[in-house]
Amino acid sequence: DQQVKQNSPSLSVQEGRISILNCDYTNSMFDYFLWYKKYPAEGPTFLISISSIKDKNEDGRFTVFLNKSAKHLSLHIVPSQPGDSAVYFCAASGKGDTGNQFYFGTGTSLTVIP
Amino acid sequence: EAGVAQSPRYKIIEKRQSVAFWCNPISGHATLYWYQQILGQGPKLLIQFQNNGVVDDSQLPKDRFSAERLKGVDSTLKIQPAKLEDSAVYLCASSIDRSTQYFGPGTRLTVL
Repeated sequence: DQQVKQNSPSLSVQEGRISILNCDYTNSMFDYFLWYKKYPAEGPTFLISISSIKDKNEDGRFTVFLNKSAKHLSLHIVPSQPGDSAVYFCAASGKGDTGNQFYFGTGTSLTVIP
Repeated sequence: EAGVAQSPRYKIIEKRQSVAFWCNPISGHATLYWYQQILGQGPKLLIQFQNNGVVDDSQLPKDRFSAERLKGVDSTLKIQPAKLEDSAVYLCASSIDRSTQYFGPGTRLTVL
């Protein structure tokens, strides 16, 4: 049962334009959401996060938007740069009976074309 | 601050052989996670430790996989015997709280 879904396996964007990566979740108990970036042969690295008490969080070129009623979040990268080309994973966290748990989507491969 | 260390980085074995992976988390991180990432999929949690106790191993195939966390610091994940479908990247991560996890570089396992 995939609780976090990224329905677009890949995305191509021109350099300088906006990249929008989408993520949907099903579990209403999730209250913390994270985006990770992964280069080949490396582990995922944390990019940006958002708590469910907010609907927007911004860090430089990266902004995450959360729509709780739609159980949807998105990552905006503006402007996109070739170095942003990587696989982006959305993750959700909830306070379960067994403590902090993280659930990951299947990833979106972003290619920024120079 | 040193990151999460994992070894080996790559491992190739025959099916039915055994293999072990090692992880050293960031100092002071009480929570340690092992994930399995199959090509084209997101990381799937295998086991989660809080200090040296297991808090979630519901997705760990216990007939062949085992894991331990020594003295609440280093951890090893073992597969015995390996199957073809175990070919994947095994990621270790550690965290202090839910704000983020820090991942190691992973171990790429190929089972022939």
